Amino acid sequence: NAGVTQTPKFQVLKTGQSMTLQCAQDMNHEYMSWYRQDPGMGLRLIHYSVGAGITDQGEVPNGYNVSRSTTEDFPLRLLSAAPSQTSVYFCASSYSAWGTTSGNTIYFGEGSWLTVV
Amino acid sequence: DQQVKQNSPSLSVQEGRISILNCDYTNSMFDYFLWYKKYPAEGPTFLISISSIKDKNEDGRFTVFLNKSAKHLSLHIVPSQPGDSAVYFCAASDTQGGSEKLVFGKGMKLTVNP
Repeated sequence: NAGVTQTPKFQVLKTGQSMTLQCAQDMNHEYMSWYRQDPGMGLRLIHYSVGAGITDQGEVPNGYNVSRSTTEDFPLRLLSAAPSQTSVYFCASSYSAWGTTSGNTIYFGEGSWLTVV
Repeated sequence: DQQVKQNSPSLSVQEGRISILNCDYTNSMFDYFLWYKKYPAEGPTFLISISSIKDKNEDGRFTVFLNKSAKHLSLHIVPSQPGDSAVYFCAASDTQGGSEKLVFGKGMKLTVNP
C-alpha cells in the first residue's frame, strides 16, 4: 500500500522556471491538498480539492496552480518560480472532510524539498 | 492572525517522565482537533484526535485533553520514550462550517533524553 506518493523529493529551480510537483494516492480518497512548511510557520494550506474536477484555494495560493482530473492525482504547478517559494511541500489526502467521519484523518506524503535560486 | 497557537517551540524531558504539549486556539467554531507527529525528512503522521463533544481521548501512552471554555488542548505522553522525539503539530477544524480546511499550529519540537 503506497499511500500518498510525492515526486520529486528534491528539486532546485532557477527563478522564473516552471515545474510540477506530482502527488498520487491509492486509497481512493476524495479529499486532497497541498501544504507548505516553512521554518517557524507550521503547515500552511496552498490549495485543496474535495473531489475530481473540484479545486479551491487555501491560505497561501498565490503563485501556484492545481488541477484534479482524476481521484488519484493532484499535481501542484509553479508557473514562475520565485525564491519565496523555497520550502518543503507536502501533499495530503483524506477519505472525507476533515474530522466529519469518525476516525478520519489526513495522510501525508513524505515531502518535496524545493529550492529556488 | 494565527488561529492555532503552539507557543512553546520546544520541550525537553527525560525518558520515562511525562511530556505535556500545549495548544491554544482562537476560533470558537473549531470542533475537531488533531495531533500530528513529524520526524525529520518525513511527512507528518496522525497521532490522536478529539471531538469537541469530549474532553479527553486516550490511546495507549497518548492522551489528549480538551478545555473548550479555555480554548485549550494538551497532549500528554506517558511515559516518554526517546522515539517520541519529533516535532508535534496541533491542528483544528470547523467541521460544520463547510470550509473543508484543517488549520495547523507552528509545531513544537519534543526531545526525550535517554
